[in-house]
Amino acid sequence: EAEVAQSPRYKITEKSQAVAFWCDPISGHATLYWYRQILGQGPELLVQFQDESVVDDSQLPKDRFSAERLKGVDSTLKIQPAELGDSAMYLCASSLGVEQFFGPGTRLTVL
Amino acid sequence: RKEVEQDPGPFNVPEGATVAFNCTYSNSASQSFFWYRQDCRKEPKLLMSVYSSGNEDGRFTAQLNRASQYISLLIRDSKLSDSATYLCAVKAGSSNTGKLIFGQGTTLQVKP
Repeated sequence: EAEVAQSPRYKITEKSQAVAFWCDPISGHATLYWYRQILGQGPELLVQFQDESVVDDSQLPKDRFSAERLKGVDSTLKIQPAELGDSAMYLCASSLGVEQFFGPGTRLTVL
Repeated sequence: RKEVEQDPGPFNVPEGATVAFNCTYSNSASQSFFWYRQDCRKEPKLLMSVYSSGNEDGRFTAQLNRASQYISLLIRDSKLSDSATYLCAVKAGSSNTGKLIFGQGTTLQVKP
C-alpha cells in the first residue's frame, strides 16, 4: 500500500537553530499539505501545494517558516530560527481527490 | 466559536458497548466530511468519509445531519483495539483539494 514518507521522525533542537523536514507524497498525488499538530489539538494547515505551486499559505508564519516543492513531487518545510512554541508534530499529507492521507509525521522538540 | 468542535472526552466504555461521538461544524457550505483515527503519538489515519446518505463499515457507522450541522460516528461492539482519539474533519471551500479543518479529537478508552 502506497504511503506518504517523512523524515526525520524525531528532531530535537535548541531555540534559534534551523530545522528542516522532508516529505515524499504518495506517487501521483498532485496535492501536498503540511499540517502542524500541537498536543491535545487537531492538525492545522500550514501550507498547501498543487504540484509545485503554493495554493494556501495563509497560516504559515512566513517570518520563520518556508516551504518548497520545486519539482512538484517531494517537499521541504524549514523553520529558521526555531522557537520554543514550535514544538509540535509536523504532518505531511497528500491527496489525489478529496481524501487526504497522512505520513508518520516529524515530532519536533525545541529546547 | 471554533469551526469544528468535538467533545474531547474521554469516553470510557466497557468492551462490547456501543458508543457514539458527535462533531459540529459552523460553515453551512461545507461539502466533505471525514472521521480519522489517531493512536497515541501516531499520524491520523482515515477511518471513513461521511456521505449525505450515511455510510457503514463493519462496526462503524457515520452519519451527516446538514440541518443541524453535525456529523456522528457510532461504534458498535467496542473492542480494546478501538481505544484511540477520533478526529472529525471538514473540508474547507468547494475545491476537491481544499484544506481540512479538524476538531480537537475525542478520546475513547475501551476497558475489559
